Amino acid sequence: AQTVTQSQPEMSVQEAETVTLSCTYDTSENNYYLFWYKQPPSRQMILVIRQEAYKQQNATENRFSVNFQKAAKSFSLKISDSQLGDTAMYFCAFMKHGAAGNKLTFGGGTRVLVKP
Amino acid sequence: DTAVSQTPKYLVTQMGNDKSIKCEQNLGHDTMYWYKQDSKKFLKIMFSYNNKELIINETVPNRFSPKSPDKAHLNLHINSLELGDSAVYFCASSLFGLAGGPTEQFFGPGTRLTVL
Repeated sequence: AQTVTQSQPEMSVQEAETVTLSCTYDTSENNYYLFWYKQPPSRQMILVIRQEAYKQQNATENRFSVNFQKAAKSFSLKISDSQLGDTAMYFCAFMKHGAAGNKLTFGGGTRVLVKP
Repeated sequence: DTAVSQTPKYLVTQMGNDKSIKCEQNLGHDTMYWYKQDSKKFLKIMFSYNNKELIINETVPNRFSPKSPDKAHLNLHINSLELGDSAVYFCASSLFGLAGGPTEQFFGPGTRLTVL
């Protein structure tokens, strides 16, 4: 079974600074997908970014980018120019390619606090 | 305009009662999911339905019974509620996505269930 580990329970960052969240996963699969979801205090789950394991190029979405290291099974999220609205829980998630049901396996989450 | 909606948003009930949570999506998706988020924010899949057929059942007690009357609806019925059932329950939906890989899962706002 796949496991996803987020080793940082909480992080704080000053507004406009950069913060990097770590995520490691354990799998024997070669084809899979990785995701970062954001959960603000409103509790809504929002997809931030997605990475296909077969793609070597790291995904980017505006101020959000990932560092995907397949051999190391590492998938970190960098938030640049942090904004107050980035305050939220961030979850790393794994999905096996072709998995019946598209099951997402989540890490335990990292709480990010952006300070003014 | 709401993409994935859940009712109710909050549910407070006594141990031993039976309750239902309803979920509807208007995105034209063919796959729907139930996830449970416990008090430590850990998210875990419970069920997945594709075209009204159950395709994931993650060792959930049989007191939990999902029902999908059509592709746009997935309800969750819980019998004989226990204290440990207190959690936030999220419904999500997506297109199953075979050759092109999985598509984004859109989450509902969650239902906070409190069992007293």
